[in-house]
Amino acid sequence: EVQLVESGGGLVQPGGSLRLSCAASGFTFSGHYMNWVRQAPGKGLEWVANLRPDGSETYYVDSLKGRFTISRDNAKKSLYLQMNDLRAEDTAVYYCARGHQDAADIWGQGTMVTIS
Amino acid sequence: QSVLTQPPSVSAAPGQKVTISCSGSSSNIGNNYVSWYQHLPGTAPKLLIYENNKRPSGLPDRFSGSKSGTSATLGITGLQTGDEADYYCGAWDSSLSAYVFGTGTQVTVL
Repeated sequence: EVQLVESGGGLVQPGGSLRLSCAASGFTFSGHYMNWVRQAPGKGLEWVANLRPDGSETYYVDSLKGRFTISRDNAKKSLYLQMNDLRAEDTAVYYCARGHQDAADIWGQGTMVTIS
Repeated sequence: QSVLTQPPSVSAAPGQKVTISCSGSSSNIGNNYVSWYQHLPGTAPKLLIYENNKRPSGLPDRFSGSKSGTSATLGITGLQTGDEADYYCGAWDSSLSAYVFGTGTQVTVL
């Protein structure tokens, strides 16, 4: 079964750091772009970042550049999001999603991050 | 603030059809593929349409997508209560070098 499972969310104080993980199974992880997307309470979906299959290039939403870092370990079939200097507005459910033809076709259930 | 604009809500009776518009610009919809997603809060978003008008395997043909210029449209026919959800368009923005989602549209089945 094709699956993505996020972990690492929780309650963090403002200014703190958190590292999210996403474990992939059921497909060739190293062959796909991977994305992080978030949804703040009462808000819409916001794309956060993605990276190439080999991790050689990364892309970020402008507002998060410098604070968030996306990375991957293809041997472990895992995607990561390192989040630093966290702010209240970073409170959201964070989803990892597999890239497919300029879209995101497989999504995890999400992990909640609360900054307070 | 999203660069892709959708109507906040649309509604129709069961069995009827709804369309959701997504308006962008030449840097996103105009020159890149559009995708559409269905999202029920608390669950994983679901891809409905990719490459403007293609459906993932297994998705019923009640869902359709189209694109013209800098706008795109999602159509849902034979509306069912299970279609009540939030719907988002998305596209790569070449100027921003970032993926952008639309503002989202809530579909209500009357």
